[in-house]
Amino acid sequence: KAGVTQTPRYLIKTRGQQVTLSCSPISGHRSVSWYQQTPGQGLQFLFEYFSETQRNKGNFPGRFSGRQFSNSRSEMNVSTLELGDSALYLCASSSGQAKETQYFGPGTRLLVL
Amino acid sequence: GQNIDQPTEMTATEGAIVQINCTYQTSGFNGLFWYQQHAGEAPTFLSYNVLDGLEEKGRFSSFLSRSKGYSYLLLKELQMKDSASYLCAVRGGSYIPTFGRGTSLIVHP
Repeated sequence: KAGVTQTPRYLIKTRGQQVTLSCSPISGHRSVSWYQQTPGQGLQFLFEYFSETQRNKGNFPGRFSGRQFSNSRSEMNVSTLELGDSALYLCASSSGQAKETQYFGPGTRLLVL
Repeated sequence: GQNIDQPTEMTATEGAIVQINCTYQTSGFNGLFWYQQHAGEAPTFLSYNVLDGLEEKGRFSSFLSRSKGYSYLLLKELQMKDSASYLCAVRGGSYIPTFGRGTSLIVHP
């Protein structure tokens, strides 16, 4: 079974721009969660999508948004980029059941200049 | 709110046993996870505890005490490849997971 894939793997943007990151979950998984990881704050939950609906949301500003498609692929968008948005963005998929663990993708490393 | 505490860094010798502790305070509880993350890589799942007690999986074991808000990850027969960051994550009442900052484990010969 193929793992979670994320594209692109690396990205450089400038302040004020917007960015879209993509995540393809493990086949059969309907839940996709997004996380931001920085050295200072660690791993922080952004949001979770399940069957095309946002099921949970973390404490991030509205500049961070996402969506999920009928094939469970998910995209995350960050608008009006700030320097502090430089981070590793991780996507994790699961079946969506409470006891199931999440499987992380390799991440997209975003650098905002 | 949610709060997860774990030591920042630990060192141990190859072949030894190391215990990484995690204490948490959450609104509700729906499971505790341990992940391993090597530098530059994504976290990988190690263990899941939702009931009190010890879960053993090969060289790795994880313990949970819900009444004490406490868990530990036990690594036996340490190998150099075990040098990594170990993340404790708790899923609260809203099912949103909160991660600790991670414990950087350095295994030396």
